[in-house]
Parts: sequence; C-alpha cells; structure tokens
Amino acid sequence: TQLLEQSPQFLSIQEGENLTVYCNSSSVFSSLQWYRQEPGEGPVLLVTVVTGGEVKKLKRLTFQFGDARKDSSLHITAAQPGDTGLYLCAGAWGWNFNKFYFGSGTKLNVKP
Amino acid sequence: EADIYQTPRYLVIGTGKKITLECSQTMGHDKMYWYQQDPGMELHLIHYSYGVNSTEKGDLSSESTVSRIRTEHFPLTLESARPSHTSQYLCASSDIGTNPHEQYFGPGTRLTVT
Repeated sequence: TQLLEQSPQFLSIQEGENLTVYCNSSSVFSSLQWYRQEPGEGPVLLVTVVTGGEVKKLKRLTFQFGDARKDSSLHITAAQPGDTGLYLCAGAWGWNFNKFYFGSGTKLNVKP
Repeated sequence: EADIYQTPRYLVIGTGKKITLECSQTMGHDKMYWYQQDPGMELHLIHYSYGVNSTEKGDLSSESTVSRIRTEHFPLTLESARPSHTSQYLCASSDIGTNPHEQYFGPGTRLTVT
C-alpha cells in the first residue's frame, strides 16, 4: 500500500504551459518535502512545507501544504525544458522524523 | 550545498560476489539512510541509522546489512549478490538538530548483478 499517492504519473507538455502535480495521503505528516530527480542522479530537495495551509514559492514553482497536512501540490508556471525530471514528494513520519515515505513520483517532460 | 558521496557510481558484478557500497557525508549529520530505487520509481527505505552504533531496518525487506562505526560513514554490504539485487541504491543524511525534515542525497550507486 502506497502511503503517498502522486498524480499524474506522467506528464508531457509544451514549453510555456502551466502544470500542477498532486501528492495525497490519508495520513497526517509532520512535514512534506518535494524533490526533483534527474536520471542517474540522487533526488535534490526543492522545498519543505511544515505548517498546514502553508504556501511557498521558488521562482516559477509554487508549493502548497494542505490545511490538514495530508496533501500537497506543486504548481509550475511557464514550464521550461530544464524542468524535465522526476518529481517526488516525501512525508516525514514520527515524532522525531525518523522515517520518510516517498510517493511514486511524477515524470515530467517539457518539450521545446 | 550538501556534501554526501557514494562510491562506486556504477558496479557490474557476477552472482555470488560480496560487495560493499560506500557512503560518506561531511556535514556531521546524525541520521543516515539507504534507499533502493528502480528506474523512475519511488524510493524504498531499506536501512537507517540514528547515529554511531545504531542501525535499523526499513520498510522494504533487504538481504543487505549496514554498519555505523563512524558518524560520517554508512556502508552497505551484500554478502552474496543476486540478479534480484540489481537496482539503484541511494544514500541520504539529515540533521536532527537544525533541519530534521530535510534529507540530502548522494548521487547513487547503480548496481547490476549478472
């Protein structure tokens, strides 16, 4: 059973389009992280959201944590080919964040 | 920028061989983790450590073993490699005190067992 469900699984869009990726769970997490991973490399941390309802912006990327801390979304404005990669959400679990659970990922391809 | 290193980056080895995947971090992080990931798929936690002489198994059953004799070093060992062990292995670390929510990953080791 996947603790964190990501959707869509695959996304192929043209440069300049907007997109939203979702990360949903029935469980409450202490925090949620978003990572971007390129083939053959380790995931790179993009952002951490901790407070329910929190919104964070990173240039063209906007991250939101649900009020109940069970879900999160990543919105990319005017996507560029450099945004291509695997986007992973991860939830920190436990009082001392001793475990992180990862979603299945969204593979994004931005065509020039 | 995170300083966490993994060697080798790529390894092709025959069935039955013993292998050790190395992971080192220079950030003084207490917690370290090993994940297994098939290409383009989710990460599965196989081992983690709270600190020196502390190791725990993760949620995905693995025939590998780990040790944590020094804070900066968290090697993973397979006593007898099998084709089913073919995968990408990712090491990560996090700081309990400063940023407990955030993990920093190494570049990974791509293991192929023939």
